[in-house]
Amino acid sequence: EDQVTQSPEALRLQEGESSSLNCSYTVSGLRGLFWYRQDPGKGPEFLFTLYSAGEEKEKERLKATLTKKESFLHITAPKPEDSATYLCAVQATGANNLFFGTGTRLTVIP
Amino acid sequence: DAGVIQSPRHEVTEMGQEVTLRCKPISGHNSLFWYRQTMMRGLELLIYFNNNVPIDDSGMPEDRFSAKMPNASFSTLKIQPSEPRDSAVYFCASSLQGKSQPQHFGDGTRLSIL
Repeated sequence: EDQVTQSPEALRLQEGESSSLNCSYTVSGLRGLFWYRQDPGKGPEFLFTLYSAGEEKEKERLKATLTKKESFLHITAPKPEDSATYLCAVQATGANNLFFGTGTRLTVIP
Repeated sequence: DAGVIQSPRHEVTEMGQEVTLRCKPISGHNSLFWYRQTMMRGLELLIYFNNNVPIDDSGMPEDRFSAKMPNASFSTLKIQPSEPRDSAVYFCASSLQGKSQPQHFGDGTRLSIL
């Protein structure tokens, strides 16, 4: 059965304090791993898709990496506007649907 | 470009009433997904459609839930009769069908059943 575990559940950072969020996954065959950002009262907003181990994607202060068992979302010098819940999801080979983790709630303090 | 549009944004109703949630996907997208989000269980897929045809409804919790997609630009999720445990935020998402196409989400309907 597909499984996605995100850690930590919550993370508080000072502005400028870099850190990483973890997404561990178990899937029969990985078609893609997705990162989303969700703000309160809003739907998840797509950030990245990663397809194979060793791949990296960057967007502003965020960089996502992928291994065969986990993905990391690295946040460099975060700002208060980066505060949100970050969701990881996997798509299995041959499937169209996504299986989501429960997210990491990030708070960046000025 | 307009994103996924859901209505209503908030719904408060009494137990036993029928509830209908509505979704307009992004124009040109041919896959549509309904999710439910709760604090305890996170985002759970309820059902998804490809080209207006239901493909997987294994996430629909009970016969009280039903979903339709009469055309490419409209879908409904209906709960009848509603129960307090149905209280959650319901999201609709759409995507292009194909390898690893990202899903784009609406802002959800916050449903409270009293």
